[in-house]
Amino acid sequence: EVQLVESGGGLVQPGRSLRLSCAASGFTFGDYGMHWVRQAPGEGLEWVSGINWNSRTIGYADSVKGRFTISRDNAKNSLYLQMNSLRAEDTALYYCGKGRLSGTTYFDYWGQGALVTVSS
Amino acid sequence: AIRMTQSPSSFSASTGDRVTITCRASQGISSYLAWYQQKPGKAPKLLIYAASTLQTGVPSRFSGSGSGTDFTLTISCLQSEDFATYYCQQYQSYPQTFGQGTKVEIK
Repeated sequence: EVQLVESGGGLVQPGRSLRLSCAASGFTFGDYGMHWVRQAPGEGLEWVSGINWNSRTIGYADSVKGRFTISRDNAKNSLYLQMNSLRAEDTALYYCGKGRLSGTTYFDYWGQGALVTVSS
Repeated sequence: AIRMTQSPSSFSASTGDRVTITCRASQGISSYLAWYQQKPGKAPKLLIYAASTLQTGVPSRFSGSGSGTDFTLTISCLQSEDFATYYCQQYQSYPQTFGQGTKVEIK
């Protein structure tokens, strides 16, 4: 059974940093692209970032480019999102998503999300 | 970035109705389009990918069509468990983008 479990969320002040993790199991992690998608309270889905299987192809939404960094450790079956210079508008539930394809892709499995609240 | 526009943003329907949601891309995306269903407090669920391919386990009352810039999601006979918010998503290129969502409510 595929499982994606996010961790690392919490309350953080504007301008500070936070690192999210996603622990994957139930599939060959290194074979698939992985992504982060967020959802602000009461709002729609926003794709944040994606990384292909070997970390050579990475993409970011314009809203986070230069502040967020995605990475993965295939040996640990883990995906990460380093979030720097956080803003109030980054407040959201952050989902980890498994891509069906290696690069740009749709998401066939999702975690339950990690809540990030940016507030002073 | 490719902009995805769904219509309508919300509507009311009755069990048994046939409903259609449209999604328009600001530029051609071939068939690189997926549809998701999201219920309150839950993660999204993949319904359709490649514009018209039904994900395993999704009921056949759901169908998708379109290519290029115009796409539709159809639910042939609305069931009580289908009242939810639906999102389209393009994966033709980075940055990947979602539509704003369509909420289907009970009439």
